[in-house]
Amino acid sequence: ILNVEQSPQSLHVQEGDSTNFTCSFPSSNFYALHWYRWETAKSPEALFVMTLNGDEKKKGRISATLNTKEGYSYLYIKGSQPEDSATYLCARDTGFQKLVFGTGTRLLVSP
Amino acid sequence: DVKVTQSSRYLVKRTGEKVFLECVQDMDHENMFWYRQDPGLGLRLIYFSYDVKMKEKGDIPEGYSVSREKKERFSLILESASTNQTSMYLCASRTGANTEAFFGQGTRLTVV
Repeated sequence: ILNVEQSPQSLHVQEGDSTNFTCSFPSSNFYALHWYRWETAKSPEALFVMTLNGDEKKKGRISATLNTKEGYSYLYIKGSQPEDSATYLCARDTGFQKLVFGTGTRLLVSP
Repeated sequence: DVKVTQSSRYLVKRTGEKVFLECVQDMDHENMFWYRQDPGLGLRLIYFSYDVKMKEKGDIPEGYSVSREKKERFSLILESASTNQTSMYLCASRTGANTEAFFGQGTRLTVV
């Protein structure tokens, strides 16, 4: 994998559903993997910066895991709420200031 | 409350105009970035700066230039705006590698 790839492209779930997204990235020369949440009309905000293989991070109902050997990260949302509706971006940290972003997963949570 | 502030939320310019997008951060970050976001393409890096007066091209620098005269301010310049530069522009800053980036609220530029 040369670039950062995210799947699915979009997702529509009902309130209370749990959901997860995937971010795939080149496994060589790994420095860090970032997750951001971007709500409509707001700025993207960092959720997690993950650096170690096997890392698991949690913020409220949102958690993420990291596998640097195989080059993927999962983002989980437990019991989705309408306020979780946003685009979720992952980015590969090149270690030289640059972040390389995926195209994002757009999540819509219906009441 | 840390902030990255972009000078305009919405901007409409004519083809051929010189356009300035301004970004200011109050976190004393060394690194600042300009991205554009287009549907289906994600955030693409235009230019970044790692110090005052220092700049590096990103993935899509053609048609753009930048200026960083002070640490807190990073300007994106469209030398001669064209319709294919209609986009959402995002400024970001961060301390360094493996640290989170902080974003401005974005400028939606329309070139007519």
